Amino acid sequence: DTEVTQTPKHLVMGMTNKKSLKCEQHMGHRAMYWYKQKAKKPPELMFVYSYEKLSINESVPSRFSPECPNSSLLNLHLHALQPEDSALYLCASSQEGGGVGAFFGQGTRLTVV
Amino acid sequence: TQLLEQSPQFLSIQEGENLTVYCNSSSVFSSLQWYRQEPGEGPVLLVTVVTGGEVKKLKRLTFQFGDARKDSSLHITAAQPGDTGLYLCAGAFHKGGKLIFGQGTELSVKP
Repeated sequence: DTEVTQTPKHLVMGMTNKKSLKCEQHMGHRAMYWYKQKAKKPPELMFVYSYEKLSINESVPSRFSPECPNSSLLNLHLHALQPEDSALYLCASSQEGGGVGAFFGQGTRLTVV
Repeated sequence: TQLLEQSPQFLSIQEGENLTVYCNSSSVFSSLQWYRQEPGEGPVLLVTVVTGGEVKKLKRLTFQFGDARKDSSLHITAAQPGDTGLYLCAGAFHKGGKLIFGQGTELSVKP
């Protein structure tokens, strides 16, 4: 199983809503990531979890809250988002750090209205 | 500051042509990766290169890591419409480090 599964695939939410994005992998990878990607741009790193602990937060606004319940799961909790937060949110995992190659999920297309 | 300069940003060619995409930096990377991304999908890892001067082949795709581990190239021979997509290079400064992405190359191969 070399898949990273993200749900939901599409999400539309209002600025006062609370929602969560979910990510799951069963490759035994110990590093998991959240990226944000705007159209025609490269992915921008948001958070890195290493061995279930948050190791990197790229100065992401607090309206994005990551959580790693166990080594296979990664969540991103969303609250009070702005329209400019609309983007493709990608989850990825790798054996250790990013230097060995990362496997990406299909992403969640988020629209904030 | 963009640590990884990828060029060209856009490339439109006819089926059967060859092409090369470049990824350059003034920094030394411990490894460099190439990804391909189709619209609405996540990036798919094509290759990881770790040794200076390393060359890897994947069917019609040839990847090279520069001797000084600061640059890389992707060469596609006899491009096909199925090669259309966004090609991304990404570098890591050490094994446990985060990935630094280039700006991407939008490739369109017309039949």
